[in-house]
Amino acid sequence: EVQLVESGGGLVQPGGSLRLSCAASGFTFSSYWMHWVRQAPGKGLVWVSRINSDGSSTSYADSVKGRFTISRDNAKNTLYLQMNSLRAEDTAVYYCARGWLVHLFDYWGQGTLVTVSS
Amino acid sequence: EIVLTQSPATLSLSPGERATLSCGASQSVSSSYLAWYQQKPGLAPRLLIYDASSRATGIPDRFSGSGSGTDFTLTISRLEPEDFAVYYCQQYGSSSLTFGGGTKVEIK
Repeated sequence: EVQLVESGGGLVQPGGSLRLSCAASGFTFSSYWMHWVRQAPGKGLVWVSRINSDGSSTSYADSVKGRFTISRDNAKNTLYLQMNSLRAEDTAVYYCARGWLVHLFDYWGQGTLVTVSS
Repeated sequence: EIVLTQSPATLSLSPGERATLSCGASQSVSSSYLAWYQQKPGLAPRLLIYDASSRATGIPDRFSGSGSGTDFTLTISRLEPEDFAVYYCQQYGSSSLTFGGGTKVEIK
């Protein structure tokens, strides 16, 4: 059974940093692109970032470019999102999602809440 | 960036009725790379439709998608109680992936 379990969310002050993790199981992690998608409270879905299967290529939404870094450890079956210079508008539930046919999201984690507030 | 606009924002229908949800793109979506997701409160989204009209694994045939270019439609032929949720379209024809703002299908 495919499972994606996010962790690392919490309350952080504006300007602070946080690292999210997503532990994957039930599939060959190293064969899939992976994504982060976020959802502000009561709002819609926003794609954040993606990384290819071997970690050599990444892409970001303009809203997080230069502040967030996606990475992965295929030996540990884990996806990461390093978030720096956090802003109030980064407050959201962050989901990791498996990329099916690269840019579709066929499995999602349960999400981890990041709250940026003083 | 391709902007997706979904309408209506809210659709109030009764079980057994037909639901028609629209997704309009600010520019043509290449190769009909348009998907639909369903999200229920407190849960992650679920992939329903991809390539505009192909159903994902395990999706009932009451869900169907159509459209091309800039206009896409998700149709639920007869609403079941479990279908009341929020639906999002997503385009993957450009490198910057984008979602629509969502349509909430609520019980009338």
